[in-house]
Amino acid sequence: DGGITQSPKYLFRKEGQNVTLSCEQNLNHDAMYWYRQDPGQGLRLIYYSQIVNDFQKGDIAEGYSVSREKKESFPLTVTSAQKNPTAFYLCASSRGDRGTHQPQHFGDGTRLSIL
Amino acid sequence: KNQVEQSPQSLIILEGKNCTLQCNYTVSPFSNLRWYKQDTGRGPVSLTIMTFSENTKSNGRYTATLDADTKQSSLHITASQLSDSASYICVVRATGNQFYFGTGTSLTVIP
Repeated sequence: DGGITQSPKYLFRKEGQNVTLSCEQNLNHDAMYWYRQDPGQGLRLIYYSQIVNDFQKGDIAEGYSVSREKKESFPLTVTSAQKNPTAFYLCASSRGDRGTHQPQHFGDGTRLSIL
Repeated sequence: KNQVEQSPQSLIILEGKNCTLQCNYTVSPFSNLRWYKQDTGRGPVSLTIMTFSENTKSNGRYTATLDADTKQSSLHITASQLSDSASYICVVRATGNQFYFGTGTSLTVIP
């Protein structure tokens, strides 16, 4: 079945440590996104990519970095500069501008906690 | 400012009862509106999508409405089941690739 796979499901980070969250999709989607979800808040966009080797900052990009070397993969690194990284991270993909009426497909998230 | 507001924030209903969730938005220019269901600890799953010209769309026991003039949408759930317990998120897409998310309505269905 086509879908989005995020790993790991749970992740713990020590102070001053960088961690990388994996996101892989086999839907042949052009666009991929990273969101952060905190209790009582809507999803907030961290980074998005509409095509391989290109990505743009979202609303809360500080302390995060991404790469898009392959169409299927869009890993997110939470750096030590992100002072409040504890959250539920969701990766999504869509057909981009060519499929404006197609839904975003979401992975099942990674919950990151600070030790 | 582009915003999406949902109400109520939380709702508890008895199994078998109906309920209606509300979504008001100020997003412009409007492309479409989606309702997602998010189970605890999982990613959101799309329920319906509404475009500017559509005012009602059903997906099983879920019926979404859209009033583009007043910029309001509702999600009606009929004959609720325990498995309907989840967070329901309204997402408005502006033209291009901009998505605006509501904070969700947490629905609990009790036996």
